[in-house]
Amino acid sequence: GNSVTQMEGPVTLSEEAFLTINCTYTATGYPSLFWYVQYPGEGLQLLLKATKADDKGSNKGFEATYRKETTSFHLEKGSVQVSDSAVYFCALSKETSGSRLTFGEGTQLTVNP
Amino acid sequence: KAGVTQTPRYLIKTRGQQVTLSCSPISGHRSVSWYQQTPGQGLQFLFEYFSETQRNKGNFPGRFSGRQFSNSRSEMNVSTLELGDSALYLCASRQDPTPEKLFFGSGTQLSVL
Repeated sequence: GNSVTQMEGPVTLSEEAFLTINCTYTATGYPSLFWYVQYPGEGLQLLLKATKADDKGSNKGFEATYRKETTSFHLEKGSVQVSDSAVYFCALSKETSGSRLTFGEGTQLTVNP
Repeated sequence: KAGVTQTPRYLIKTRGQQVTLSCSPISGHRSVSWYQQTPGQGLQFLFEYFSETQRNKGNFPGRFSGRQFSNSRSEMNVSTLELGDSALYLCASRQDPTPEKLFFGSGTQLSVL
């Protein structure tokens, strides 16, 4: 079946540090890949997406590239801010499964001033 | 436009009881999905309803059920509650058949004592 594996957290960084959160997936064919973010007390929000190999998703300074050869979709940001503190989820979907998303475990990011 | 609204925000029940959670999707959205979020299992798909029909179902026991009304509002019911049902239950709605257009509510936090 489909699965997503994220790097273990929590991750603690200082403001303006470089961020990488690793994500690898297992799925047949070409799934769509997503990063969602969950701020305290809120639901999930779509951060970025990529729907085919070599696509790069980007939003709010975050980027992730769909790497078919390594089945990865790592999230990066060059300079994090305190306001980026949240839980980040990597997820995939297959057309055949409709809107069903398969999520990774989530990575708690804390950015200190 | 109002977002996805889930009620109640918090709920405390005892083992053996049943519970009903409510979700009002964004106006115009006809698809509603439910997810369970726990620290141990992460985010897991429960089911999806579209135009009052269950279109997709995750791997949960029959104690978990749902329905959708003609106005697209959805309810999920859990009967014979167990301690392990304690979780944040998230509802998500969408209009188009593309997962990246999923909008999540803030969730209902269910505690089973």
